[in-house]
Amino acid sequence: GENVEQHPSTLSVQEGDSAVIKCTYSDSASNYFPWYKQELGKRPQLIIDIRSNVGEKKDQRIAVTLNKTAKHFSLHITETQPEDSAVYFCAASKGQGGKLIFGQGTELSVKP
Amino acid sequence: EAGVAQSPRYKIIEKRQSVAFWCNPISGHATLYWYQQILGQGPKLLIQFQNNGVVDDSQLPKDRFSAERLKGVDSTLKIQPAKLEDSAVYLCASSLEGVGNTIYFGEGSWLTVV
Repeated sequence: GENVEQHPSTLSVQEGDSAVIKCTYSDSASNYFPWYKQELGKRPQLIIDIRSNVGEKKDQRIAVTLNKTAKHFSLHITETQPEDSAVYFCAASKGQGGKLIFGQGTELSVKP
Repeated sequence: EAGVAQSPRYKIIEKRQSVAFWCNPISGHATLYWYQQILGQGPKLLIQFQNNGVVDDSQLPKDRFSAERLKGVDSTLKIQPAKLEDSAVYLCASSLEGVGNTIYFGEGSWLTVV
């Protein structure tokens, strides 16, 4: 069935360093890939998304890349700040009406 | 713009008891989702509604879980009887026309089954 694998499960970086989180998906028909940030006890919030007709998308310090051939996509956070500390989830779906499948999450810790 | 509203926020029940969660999506959002998030895991879709029709309920344990969305707006998720492994956060979410449009989550209903 559909599956999304996310790595690493935990990531610790120094403030100012970059962080990279990687996800792979199993269904080649997937065409929508959002990333969510979830702070402790809070709701997941969309931070960036990418569709399969685009290879890369950037929003300030956050960027997402997509490799459809390899069926993987990555989240890049540059110049990390302590407030970036949270759990990040990737997800994949087949677009309109398709089920959104989440990865297992990456707990990012940014140390001052 | 008001967000997705859920209640209750917290619930503690004994196993074999029943519980119901309520969700009010963002106004105008046709698609409503219920996700189960067990501690340390990603959200898992339980059921997806498009207006008041079910689009996907393949991972809903139908022997104990039920959900309805009357009039295509509010929704309730019921668990009866509850098991210890049902302890989780139940997240309601909504979107304009289905996946591919941004999904907005509520704050969640935290369930502890003892």
